[in-house]
Amino acid sequence: GAVVSQHPSRVICKSGTSVKIECRSLDFQATTMFWYRQFPKKSLMLMATSNEGSKATYEQGVEKDKFLINHASLTLSTLTVTSAHPEDSSFYICSASELPGKRAYEQYFGPGTRLTVT
Amino acid sequence: SQQGEEDPQALSIQEGENATMNCSYKTSINNLQWYRQNSGRGLVHLILIRSNEREKHSGRLRVTLDTSKKSSSLLITASRAADTASYFCATDASGGSNYKLTFGKGTLLTVNP
Repeated sequence: GAVVSQHPSRVICKSGTSVKIECRSLDFQATTMFWYRQFPKKSLMLMATSNEGSKATYEQGVEKDKFLINHASLTLSTLTVTSAHPEDSSFYICSASELPGKRAYEQYFGPGTRLTVT
Repeated sequence: SQQGEEDPQALSIQEGENATMNCSYKTSINNLQWYRQNSGRGLVHLILIRSNEREKHSGRLRVTLDTSKKSSSLLITASRAADTASYFCATDASGGSNYKLTFGKGTLLTVNP
């Protein structure tokens, strides 16, 4: 099946710094990628949808200047948490969809990135 | 707002027993999926059921869908300790974006050996 990787798997950063998380589709071209956030023992909350070559669409309540998303190629999307604060500590998961015409159920999930802001 | 609501929130059973988890949702859907997540890991897709289907099987998994009640259930038969994980339902709402999944809050299943 389709494989999605994330890097790093864990990252610890200091308050005020920025951290970049990469999401890669390894064996398919991902026109659309999704970024989710998950708090401990909670569900996944969609943060934004990114389409290759265009601006990301953010969900209500998600600050686009805080969470910068770039989807510059068909196999890579990045999420940059800018000026990180301890409340940004969370588990970030990406997923990728193969073509624009594919339905939502054809999303392939990455293994997640644990961000801890100290 | 959160679409899906699973219950129970936590379930503890003995190995060999069956585990049933339920999911309710609020809007019309195209399909409903169940995912599994081991602690601190990504999601693994288990099964998808379309809105015009009522039941689906995959190995030890059985999923039902009742669109009139806007609910689904996931049954894991003959559970194993390795089934210990969180289980989430996710819906793809009809009439909305074709790409967005809305996840339920999840059920934490513990299978005791």
